[in-house]
Amino acid sequence: GAVVSQHPSWVICKSGTSVKIECRSLDFQATTMFWYRQFPKQSLMLMATSNEGSKATYEQGVEKDKFLINHASLTLSTLTVTSAHPEDSSFYICSAKQGSNQPQHFGDGTRLSIL
Amino acid sequence: QKEVEQNSGPLSVPEGAIASLNCTYSDRGSQSFFWYRQYSGKSPELIMFIYSNGDKEDGRFTAQLNKASQYVSLLIRDSQPSDSATYLCAVNPPYTGGFKTIFGAGTRLFVKA
Repeated sequence: GAVVSQHPSWVICKSGTSVKIECRSLDFQATTMFWYRQFPKQSLMLMATSNEGSKATYEQGVEKDKFLINHASLTLSTLTVTSAHPEDSSFYICSAKQGSNQPQHFGDGTRLSIL
Repeated sequence: QKEVEQNSGPLSVPEGAIASLNCTYSDRGSQSFFWYRQYSGKSPELIMFIYSNGDKEDGRFTAQLNKASQYVSLLIRDSQPSDSATYLCAVNPPYTGGFKTIFGAGTRLFVKA
């Protein structure tokens, strides 16, 4: 149980393109979903926390107009990287949890390369 | 002081040995504690969670929690080369209402064949 599906796995696109990443909890309802970014050999960096039906809470330094998060249902959250540039190239990972003090379950991640 | 602290390693153990990974946390009121494994280039994978003081065993893994010392550890018995990964300790501090998890930077483990 507790499967989180993230798509796509890989994205390669030109600078200026907007990219949407989907995160779905397949067998549980996720009260809270999280979006992380990880650069090579570095720690996970939390970008934002989203609750179903509410606006996402962004971490300090993360541009909310750049990284649009939608959490329309208890099983789906999306992250859109708008007008992506090469510096946005990274490994983006979503996670979901069922309730307070429950563990986060991670998707497989999306490797984004902006040319 | 970081909220969740781990030795970055690398920790190197021979195959078949016990690997001991340690973690301390700063918020004494924390209630939930997790260990994740992350292979290079992959996303983290939950391997253990513990809520009460003492030991919790699952196969070759044992999580140990000591709330008085604000210390949580992970023991891996009969370590295998496939256990080589970064292990992340994670804690839900009470000020987040249990919804936000704070991750340590991780300990890199190498199991030598």
